[in-house]
Amino acid sequence: DVKVTQSSRYLVKRTGEKVFLECVQDMDHENMFWYRQDPGLGLRLIYFSYDVKMKEKGDIPEGYSVSREKKERFSLILESASTNQTSMYLCASSSGPREQYFGPGTRLTVT
Amino acid sequence: AQKVTQAQTEISVVEKEDVTLDCVYETRDTTYYLFWYKQPPSGELVFLIRRNSFDEQNEISGRYSWNFQKSTSSFNFTITASQVVDSAVYFCALSEKSYGQNFVFGPGTRLSVLP
Repeated sequence: DVKVTQSSRYLVKRTGEKVFLECVQDMDHENMFWYRQDPGLGLRLIYFSYDVKMKEKGDIPEGYSVSREKKERFSLILESASTNQTSMYLCASSSGPREQYFGPGTRLTVT
Repeated sequence: AQKVTQAQTEISVVEKEDVTLDCVYETRDTTYYLFWYKQPPSGELVFLIRRNSFDEQNEISGRYSWNFQKSTSSFNFTITASQVVDSAVYFCALSEKSYGQNFVFGPGTRLSVLP
């Protein structure tokens, strides 16, 4: 059974804090993705990676960075959290252009 | 440019009714994939089906069926005899061979099945 896990389901952070969101997949997928989902705006791609140590900007990379040191792990970093980064964050992985498998999501609140 | 449209923002049906969710896509590629995902209230997106551009055969899986028509650039999803557990947001998505691994998601359709 395919599995994508995210480090937290719910997270509350203060403005200005550095925030790490971790994602791990056990399917040996080369591609990994970070999205945020907001009401009325749908899913928006933040960053993706198609190989270890490789990263590409998505549609809304500002205020975020990523790290992929191992194939199975893809981290999203908020260098200095702001209230407009309060959102649901979804991680996904895939092999080639095929279906992406999603984690359970992290609901982040920045106060 | 690729695009996915789900014109129905919200649909409400009564249990046991059939319901069809529409998806229209735009692409210039001849090789592409189409997908449907379900997002229940718990929040996790669940993969339902993948269809590639060379396979227009309709698919049925239990109460779910999908109708892929290249002539109208549509990939519609029908739930037969809907149940309360079908209540969720449903997303249609497109990936193109030339666009690599990235998806374009539609805005989603919120389905409410009332008892």
